Amino acid sequence: AQTVTQSQPEMSVQEAETVTLSCTYDTSESDYYLFWYKQPPSRQMILVIRQEAYKQQNATENRFSVNFQKAAKSFSLKISDSQLGDAAMYFCAYRRALISNFGNEKLTFGTGTRLTIIP
Amino acid sequence: DGGITQSPKYLFRKEGQNVTLSCEQNLNHDAMYWYRQDPGQGLRLIYYSQIVNDFQKGDIAEGYSVSREKKESFPLTVTSAQKNPTAFYLCASSIQLTDTQYFGPGTRLTVL
Repeated sequence: AQTVTQSQPEMSVQEAETVTLSCTYDTSESDYYLFWYKQPPSRQMILVIRQEAYKQQNATENRFSVNFQKAAKSFSLKISDSQLGDAAMYFCAYRRALISNFGNEKLTFGTGTRLTIIP
Repeated sequence: DGGITQSPKYLFRKEGQNVTLSCEQNLNHDAMYWYRQDPGQGLRLIYYSQIVNDFQKGDIAEGYSVSREKKESFPLTVTSAQKNPTAFYLCASSIQLTDTQYFGPGTRLTVL
């Protein structure tokens, strides 16, 4: 079974600085997707960034970028120029790419990292 | 505005009562999902549906039931058989099962 591990329950960063959140995963699959979701105090899950495992290039969305190391099964999120609105829980998630009749569709989530922004 | 709505935002239930959580989307997505979130944990899949009139159990389906009579709607019923129903419930949808999932704002259920 796939597992996703986020080893940092809490992180903090000074406003305007850069922070990196860690995520590792375990899978025997070669093709899959990885995601970072943000959950602010409103508790709505918001997609931050998505990475396809077959792509070597790291995904980037404005101030958010990932460092995807497939061999090491590592998928870290870098937030540059941190802003107060970035304060949230961040969840790493995994999903298989191959869809069989049923069963591969779920997202497997890590336990989250709470990010605090220090003004 | 396109999106996913969940109602109510907060729900209180007495032990032994069934309760239904609403999830509606106007994104024309075929697939819909229900997740449960407990403190200190990630989300766990309860049920999912890839098309109207079809749904499948996720990892923690016991004590829950769903229906998918319309493409836009995927209500979740928490039955009295669910032993520990107090949690935050999130609904999600995607164009198809292979696509990225987008989430609604959630419903906080508390059993009194």
